[in-house]
Amino acid sequence: AQKVTQAQTEISVVEKEDVTLDCVYETRDTTYYLFWYKQPPSGELVFLIRRNSFDEQNEISGRYSWNFQKSTSSFNFTITASQVVDSAVYFCALKGAVANYGGSQGNLIFGKGTKLSVKP
Amino acid sequence: DTEVTQTPKHLVMGMTNKKSLKCEQHMGHRAMYWYKQKAKKPPELMFVYSYEKLSINESVPSRFSPECPNSSLLNLHLHALQPEDSALYLCASSQDPGTSGVDNEQFFGPGTRLTVL
Repeated sequence: AQKVTQAQTEISVVEKEDVTLDCVYETRDTTYYLFWYKQPPSGELVFLIRRNSFDEQNEISGRYSWNFQKSTSSFNFTITASQVVDSAVYFCALKGAVANYGGSQGNLIFGKGTKLSVKP
Repeated sequence: DTEVTQTPKHLVMGMTNKKSLKCEQHMGHRAMYWYKQKAKKPPELMFVYSYEKLSINESVPSRFSPECPNSSLLNLHLHALQPEDSALYLCASSQDPGTSGVDNEQFFGPGTRLTVL
């Protein structure tokens, strides 16, 4: 079975603080994909990053960075120097390789999301 | 054009009405998806179209009827809905659900907020 756990339901920080959003996943697949999406109050899910299971390199994009550790089945997301515009719900998601799921075609499994509030 | 558009943004309907939600993408993606999202919950997959054919129906009630007229358009026809169907309905597209690897991320539209009275 596949599962994504985002243990932090809500986080509140003050602007310019660094914040890390945790994501722990479970899968028996040897090949899988991990994603982070941002959902601001407007509702649209914004794709942030995809990480393939065979690529454990961490990634940095501006103020955003991601730490992928297969040994702990975690894919954590850090925002450096947070801004008010970062306030949103952030979802971590997992997708298995198509070959392992036949007709299910490796659907996205979402965590429950973490609501981040950045106060000025 | 890297956008998924959805119309209408808001919809209020009675339980006896018939309405349709529309979704469009011009990224050349061959997979399109409908999700339902209740407040404070993650999106739940409803339907997947792959190359304009329905490939997944996640046990969705028949009062929801999807249609994919062409590779760029996806509709969701609504009939005899219940108040508990009120939710945000999200459309998404991806390059191809059949590929395992590059470019399989889903891009989402802004959603339609549906209220059923």
